[in-house]
Amino acid sequence: DIQMTQSPSSLSASVGDRVTITCRASQSISNYLNWYQQKPGKAPNLLIYAASSLQSGVPSRFSGSGSGTDFTLTISSLQPEDFATYYCQQSYSLPRNFGQGTNLEIK
Amino acid sequence: EVQLVQSGVEVKKPGESLKISCQCSGYNFASYWIGWVRQVPGKGLEWMVIINPGDSDTRYNPSLQGQVTISVDKSISTVYLQWNSLKASDTAIYYCARQYHVVQPFDYWGQGTLVTVSS
Repeated sequence: DIQMTQSPSSLSASVGDRVTITCRASQSISNYLNWYQQKPGKAPNLLIYAASSLQSGVPSRFSGSGSGTDFTLTISSLQPEDFATYYCQQSYSLPRNFGQGTNLEIK
Repeated sequence: EVQLVQSGVEVKKPGESLKISCQCSGYNFASYWIGWVRQVPGKGLEWMVIINPGDSDTRYNPSLQGQVTISVDKSISTVYLQWNSLKASDTAIYYCARQYHVVQPFDYWGQGTLVTVSS
């Protein structure tokens, strides 16, 4: 199985900050990397697919980059509605494991 | 409008059986894989299994194979997840979600079904 490791596990930031979350795969997954946002009591919501493609309807302040084993999700200017938990997921091989999540909190 | 509507909250005892559902609408049901993702309350996401409604091709997480069964009823655009003998460790929220291809992400999700297994 491919293991996905996110860092940090939690992060405190302020509205307007630029934030970066990292995801590392235990082996190369090319660009088969997705990012989801989950708010309390809600299902996850797809933000980024294929490492850097923005899902339709997602604000442009979200961006993704990386390939191989190292990936990043960047939020260019945090908005109040962005405080949530973020998960990466590989879709290169089965099982399609998720990272452990990054909890983004208000400072 | 694409919708994945899941069945309601379940409270079961250890050893009991259970089948939860995910009814899909607003798109060509046979053209998208449907998967199940588990989340223990307060914890992360676990990928469980996916099925192709068109031909019933299934892919299980090896860690879960034999513990759950996925199935589909194309006549009512519904995918099921079934347990024959529940354990307390099956307590979780179960989400269904769709993907266009096995290497694609989950782009639409159901609202989740909370399953509680307790004696």
